[in-house]
Amino acid sequence: AQKITQTQPGMFVQEKEAVTLDCTYDTSDPSYGLFWYKQPSSGEMIFLIYQGSYDQQNATEGRYSLNFQKARKSANLVISASQLGDSAMYFCAMREAYTDSGGSNYKLTFGKGTLLTVNP
Amino acid sequence: AAGVIQSPRHLIKEKRETATLKCYPIPRHDTVYWYQQGPGQDPQFLISFYEKMQSDKGSIPDRFSAQQFSDYHSELNMSSLELGDSALYFCASSHDSLNSPLHFGNGTRLTVT
Repeated sequence: AQKITQTQPGMFVQEKEAVTLDCTYDTSDPSYGLFWYKQPSSGEMIFLIYQGSYDQQNATEGRYSLNFQKARKSANLVISASQLGDSAMYFCAMREAYTDSGGSNYKLTFGKGTLLTVNP
Repeated sequence: AAGVIQSPRHLIKEKRETATLKCYPIPRHDTVYWYQQGPGQDPQFLISFYEKMQSDKGSIPDRFSAQQFSDYHSELNMSSLELGDSALYFCASSHDSLNSPLHFGNGTRLTVT
């Protein structure tokens, strides 16, 4: 089963408007971290924002905020006042803890991504 | 602030050749990850190291191997390259905790012809 689901392959938004990118996740672990990354067409992977499973408040970072609804297992990214430079692929990702013979591990699992296009 | 350094940025190889990708993590980060991203795909986890020891293995082909050295830099070695290995390869580093984001390098774009 998919750990991270991003149901919007592509989204369009007008410059200066707000946009919400959806993300739902699947885990039975009470401890996990949720992350959003931006990947412009140039290819680099840029960390945007983090939300911990025990955080009481929604994370915010400048124009980025995370709408975290734990009971619904959703962690939607809200970008306010969109800019042309926000056009990029956006990935939601989750970090869980699991233990094997090598000890504890915390690898990051990505969703399929949403391609955001900001129109002038 | 120092970032993750990857080299080379671009690499062109022929089928059946070998390739070595290098990664220098952010200082004091104890964990290094390698990811492979095919065209139009999400990044797929290959392998990770914690304090220079392999800690986890993902969908890494047997033709690939990796190690982390005493100075914490890591190398991904790929042999018998196939056309399907053409992808963007990322190295990332972080602290070994749930709330620590992975910081990615700019990636190595490998093209196999």
